[in-house]
Amino acid sequence: GAVVSQHPSRVICKSGTSVKIECRSLDFQATTMFWYRQFPKKSLMLMATSNEGSKATYEQGVEKDKFLINHASLTLSTLTVTSAHPEDSSFYICSARVETGPNYEQYFGPGTRLTVT
Amino acid sequence: SQQGEEDPQALSIQEGENATMNCSYKTSINNLQWYRQNSGRGLVHLILIRSNEREKHSGRLRVTLDTSKKSSSLLITASRAADTASYFCATLIYNQGGKLIFGQGTELSVKP
Repeated sequence: GAVVSQHPSRVICKSGTSVKIECRSLDFQATTMFWYRQFPKKSLMLMATSNEGSKATYEQGVEKDKFLINHASLTLSTLTVTSAHPEDSSFYICSARVETGPNYEQYFGPGTRLTVT
Repeated sequence: SQQGEEDPQALSIQEGENATMNCSYKTSINNLQWYRQNSGRGLVHLILIRSNEREKHSGRLRVTLDTSKKSSSLLITASRAADTASYFCATLIYNQGGKLIFGQGTELSVKP
């Protein structure tokens, strides 16, 4: 089956620093990947849609200069949290879309837990 | 933005009982999917139901979809302690770029 990996699985960083999270589709190519954010005991909030070779599309209220997304290849998208603050601490989950006819399939990564101290 | 609302927000049952979770959504959809998430872990895809389907089964799972009421339900029969998790519905909407939008989720606790 389609596998999506994320790296790192956990990261702790100091306020003001930047941290990069990678999302890879391991056995398939994905022109579209998505980034979600999840607070404890809450649902997944879509942050942005990442399209290979073009700029990401951000959801309303998501700061594009703070959450930099790069989809440089068909198997890799990265999310960089710039100038991180404690309120950026969250569980970040990516997914990659496989277009199988009229119904897309999305495969999710295992998530990255970011803690900003 | 969130599309779906789920109820109940939390459900606690005994092993062997059935668990029913409901999901409502606001706009027309192409399909609706249910996911499970164990605490602090990634998502596990459970089942997908297309907009032209009304019911679907997978093992102990039964999903219904009522597009006229914009609602879906997930039934887990003969629940087990291992079913303890959060369950989310997610709707796929083509004309919004094919985004998958999640509901608020139901936290299910199955007591042995």
